[in-house]
Amino acid sequence: GAVVSQHPSRVICKSGTSVKIECRSLDFQATTMFWYRQFPKQSLMLMATSNEGSKATYEQGVEKDKFLINHASLTLSTLTVASAHPEDSSFYICSAGDSAFFGQGTRLTVV
Amino acid sequence: AQTVTQSQPEMSVQEAETVTLSCTYDTSENNYYLFWYKQPPSRQMILVIRQEAYKQQNATENRFSVNFQKAAKSFSLKISDSQLGDTAMYFCAFMKQSSRGPGTYKYIFGTGTRLKVLA
Repeated sequence: GAVVSQHPSRVICKSGTSVKIECRSLDFQATTMFWYRQFPKQSLMLMATSNEGSKATYEQGVEKDKFLINHASLTLSTLTVASAHPEDSSFYICSAGDSAFFGQGTRLTVV
Repeated sequence: AQTVTQSQPEMSVQEAETVTLSCTYDTSENNYYLFWYKQPPSRQMILVIRQEAYKQQNATENRFSVNFQKAAKSFSLKISDSQLGDTAMYFCAFMKQSSRGPGTYKYIFGTGTRLKVLA
């Protein structure tokens, strides 16, 4: 199956700093990628749809100025958590492709 | 709006036995896709099986099969000969083309069923 690589798998940062998470499709081109947030023991919550060459589409309630998405190429989308705070600590997962192949996820801890 | 419901928060099954996880969905669409994903403790989401709504034949992948009832909007997953490695969270998901046009699509996930396979 298609491979989606997400990096880093874990990150700890200080409150107020920004963190960038990368999502790469390794063996296919993805004009669309999805970013999800998952709270412990809960389902995936779609945050935004990343569109290559255009602006991301954010779900209701997701702050676009805090969760900055860039999809500059057909194989890479990035999610930047700007000025992170402890409440942003979570598990973030990306996916791409029409069978939603997922990255490994990123566990973000803001201290 | 589309919704996906998994009514079983937790289930358990003895090793080598068969278990069925339920999923229902609500949509007015005629063309869509349904998926089951497995999320083990590593939290990596793994595609288990996929079903196209226009296909009447139920999808099968080795020990995993689905019972797709389009009229009833039901999409259950049967795991045969359960193995310890099947212990995981299982998510049912619905995918349709997005209103933003061709080539764009949207996924909706159920709340998940935590399956534990007992030795």
